[in-house]
Amino acid sequence: DTEVTQTPKHLVMGMTNKKSLKCEQHMGHRAMYWYKQKAKKPPELMFVYSYEKLSINESVPSRFSPECPNSSLLNLHLHALQPEDSALYLCASSQGGDRGNEQFFGPGTRLTVL
Amino acid sequence: SQKIEQNSEALNIQEGKTATLTCNYTNYSPAYLQWYRQDPGRGPVFLLLIRENEKEKRKERLKVTFDTTLKQSLFHITASQPADSATYLCALVSVSGTYKYIFGTGTRLKVLA
Repeated sequence: DTEVTQTPKHLVMGMTNKKSLKCEQHMGHRAMYWYKQKAKKPPELMFVYSYEKLSINESVPSRFSPECPNSSLLNLHLHALQPEDSALYLCASSQGGDRGNEQFFGPGTRLTVL
Repeated sequence: SQKIEQNSEALNIQEGKTATLTCNYTNYSPAYLQWYRQDPGRGPVFLLLIRENEKEKRKERLKVTFDTTLKQSLFHITASQPADSATYLCALVSVSGTYKYIFGTGTRLKVLA
């Protein structure tokens, strides 16, 4: 299984809502990532988990809260978002270690904040 | 400041020709450089990886070069086909404890039949 799955595919939420994005992989990868992608822009790294520990937080506002319950799962908890947070949120995984391995991306969650 | 720029936002070429995409970077010392393809509404898909001590890598119709002196990578698609139309992203992989992937601005390639 070389797939990264993300749920939901689409999400519409108000600025006062709390929601979560989910990501799952069963490739035994030890590094997992969250990216934000706006239209016609490249993916921007938000968070990196390595061996289930948060290793990189790219100065992301606290209204985004990542969680890695185990080596296969990655969540992104959303609270009090702003309309400018509307974007495609991509999850990725890689083997980890020291080889700069390829990243496997999920299909993304299209988030709209009203 | 650190920048990763891809030569043009959009590139149109005729079917059968070779497409050449450029990735230039400043103020990075990447250990690896990768190229991805992204179709609209989908996640990027890995194509090729090249290490800092490698000059060239090939895979079928794809070729990547990496010049750390010029701080540039070239990505070639030979015998291009309309199915190659997509956005192509370069990604620098820097190492500082944890591997960090930084994506270039992307080039939208359109292969005309």
